[in-house]
Amino acid sequence: EIVMTQSPATLSVSPGERATLSCRASQTVSIKLAWYQQKPGQAPRPLIYDASTRATDIPARFSASGSGTEFTLTISSLQSEDFAIYYCHQYNNWPYTFGQGSKLEIK
Amino acid sequence: QLQLQEPGPRLVKPSETLSLTCTVSGGSVSSGGYYWGWIRQSPEKGLEWIAYIYYLGSTYYNPSLKSRVTVSMDTSKNQFSLKVKSVTAADTAVYYCVRHLRGIDLWGQATLVTVSS
Repeated sequence: EIVMTQSPATLSVSPGERATLSCRASQTVSIKLAWYQQKPGQAPRPLIYDASTRATDIPARFSASGSGTEFTLTISSLQSEDFAIYYCHQYNNWPYTFGQGSKLEIK
Repeated sequence: QLQLQEPGPRLVKPSETLSLTCTVSGGSVSSGGYYWGWIRQSPEKGLEWIAYIYYLGSTYYNPSLKSRVTVSMDTSKNQFSLKVKSVTAADTAVYYCVRHLRGIDLWGQATLVTVSS
């Protein structure tokens, strides 16, 4: 199975600043990569699919890029509601797999 | 809008069978070419795909769980279901039903499953 590795495990950023999260796949997943945001006690919220397409109602401050094995999620000008755990997810090869998550915390 | 409704928390004894049903409201499991699946989340394993099903009957099982898992669908009730047999403490997790096509675009609200005697 494809192993998804996210970095950093924890990122401390001040509100208003920019955050960049990374996800690496152990083998190519083409652009079949999604990002989700999860807050405590909630289901993950879809942010990005096909590596760079924002999901419905996701604000433009969320952007993503990458293909193959290297992917990036960028959140420009962090808002208080953006502090959460972020997961990448590959759906190119079954079984589909997730990264272990990157926690974005307030500095 | 379309929602996935999951049952409340479940307590299951070791070696028994876990059964969960997800009810789709506001839409049909038979439309749109979507796949309907189950994911679980635990502190030990993180987010883990279990299986998914297409309304025409094709099923996909995670090899790590395949011998113990069955997914099924009842299009007349707009439901899909998961069975996990011979559960152990390692099956304790939050279980989500999901809709998937290009990534997961819809998640159920989750069911906490605890395996304990």
